[in-house]
Amino acid sequence: DTGVSQNPRHKITKRGQNVTFRCDPISEHNRLYWYRQTLGQGPEFLTYFQNEAQLEKSRLLSDRFSAERPKGSFSTLEIQRTEQGDSAMYLCASSTNRGANYGYTFGSGTRLTVV
Amino acid sequence: LAKTTQPISMDSYEGQEVNITCSHNNIATNDYITWYQQFPSQGPRFIIQGYKTKVTNEVASLFIPADRKSSTLSLPRVSLSDTAVYYCLVLGAGNMLTFGGGTRLMVKP
Repeated sequence: DTGVSQNPRHKITKRGQNVTFRCDPISEHNRLYWYRQTLGQGPEFLTYFQNEAQLEKSRLLSDRFSAERPKGSFSTLEIQRTEQGDSAMYLCASSTNRGANYGYTFGSGTRLTVV
Repeated sequence: LAKTTQPISMDSYEGQEVNITCSHNNIATNDYITWYQQFPSQGPRFIIQGYKTKVTNEVASLFIPADRKSSTLSLPRVSLSDTAVYYCLVLGAGNMLTFGGGTRLMVKP
């Protein structure tokens, strides 16, 4: 297992287009988290899953953002009708069900540029 | 969630010991203190975690005084590759990792 994998690493899209990012967590981790990070800021929590259940989604930035984890393994984050303000690094992390106290493993992120 | 305050940036030279202090005045009894490191274009990486006194691993040491209202991350003999952003987080069971702005450490030759 090589850790948390995110694809693509970079995405350039035109304003108004939809984009989807994929995250493959560490296989034995049943929790999966999405964060967004803008330049010069710390990561901002968006949502998380325990297995296939999305347990927290109130921090998703708008109804244009949605996430799924249909079989409790990989997850996708979709942004519909992208705006220039959506340009950021989108980070995925995973952990065991003991959660944050035992460390998250982050992927290298997907950098989105909306032009 | 306990709020943390840490310096925005620090400079150091290769071979020096670097201490980054974080204050967390309203830490709760069951909260832990955790530090993450982030290099450009990478996700944060767990460095060290502690509850009280001192914790040491192969990368760093974490000093936590008895009142637990602050903590100090100590990096021994830094190298250029330690240039990164260091985040101090306080978290309890069931909480999500909530990041602040972190401390930007620049190690100079």
